[in-house]
Amino acid sequence: DAGVIQSPRHEVTEMGQEVTLRCKPISGHNSLFWYRQTMMRGLELLIYFNNNVPIDDSGMPEDRFSAKMPNASFSTLKIQPSEPRDSAVYFCASSYLAGGRSEDTQYFGPGTRLTVL
Amino acid sequence: GDSVTQMEGPVTLSEEAFLTINCTYTATGYPSLFWYVQYPGEGLQLLLKATKADDKGSNKGFEATYRKETTSFHLEKGSVQVSDSAVYFCALSRGFKTIFGAGTRLFVKA
Repeated sequence: DAGVIQSPRHEVTEMGQEVTLRCKPISGHNSLFWYRQTMMRGLELLIYFNNNVPIDDSGMPEDRFSAKMPNASFSTLKIQPSEPRDSAVYFCASSYLAGGRSEDTQYFGPGTRLTVL
Repeated sequence: GDSVTQMEGPVTLSEEAFLTINCTYTATGYPSLFWYVQYPGEGLQLLLKATKADDKGSNKGFEATYRKETTSFHLEKGSVQVSDSAVYFCALSRGFKTIFGAGTRLFVKA
C-alpha cells in the first residue's frame, strides 16, 4: 500500500485566498483524522471522520475551516478565507476502528506545509 | 480530562549514549499507550505501543513499559545512533481519540 497520500506537499498563498488540502487514506481504513502542527501549539486534532461521517469537529478553529469526506478514499480540508495565522503543517491520518474502540495505530501522511502571506 | 506530559527537549546525546524520555499520563480506565517518531519533513509514524498494564512495547532497540501504578510510559534505548535524531511523541488512545504529548526533540551527535 502507498500509505496515506496528501496533496499538495507545499502550498503558498496570499491572505484571503481559498486553500484546499487533499487526503487519500489507506484502503480499508474507516477512520480519518485531520491534524494541524505548529511550533506554538504542537499537534492539534481538527476533525475526525468515521465511515465518512464527521464525528468530532470540536477542534476546527472557526467557520473559515471546513472538511468533507465524500467517499472512503478521499477527504478535503478547506480554508476560506485564509489568514497568516493558518500557516502550519496539516496532517491527515487514517486508522481502522473496530467495535467502537480505536486503540490501533494511526498512519500519518507526509503533511502539507501551508504558508499564508 | 485525559492528558499526556512528556519531558521538554531538546535532548542532546552523543552516539552510543543511553536514552530516556519520560512520559506520564492522566486518564481514567485503561488507555492504550504509544510512542510515535517524526523525522524531519515527514509525518508521525508508530515506534511502539502497549495496550495493557505491564506490557512492554519494543522496536528498533527502543523499549517502553506500561506502568499503571506510576501512570508512566518512559521511552528508553541503550545505545542511540545519529539516525535516531527526530522528535518523539508519547500518546494515549481511548475511544476514537488519540491525545499526543508536546513532543521531545532528540539530537544525537557523532
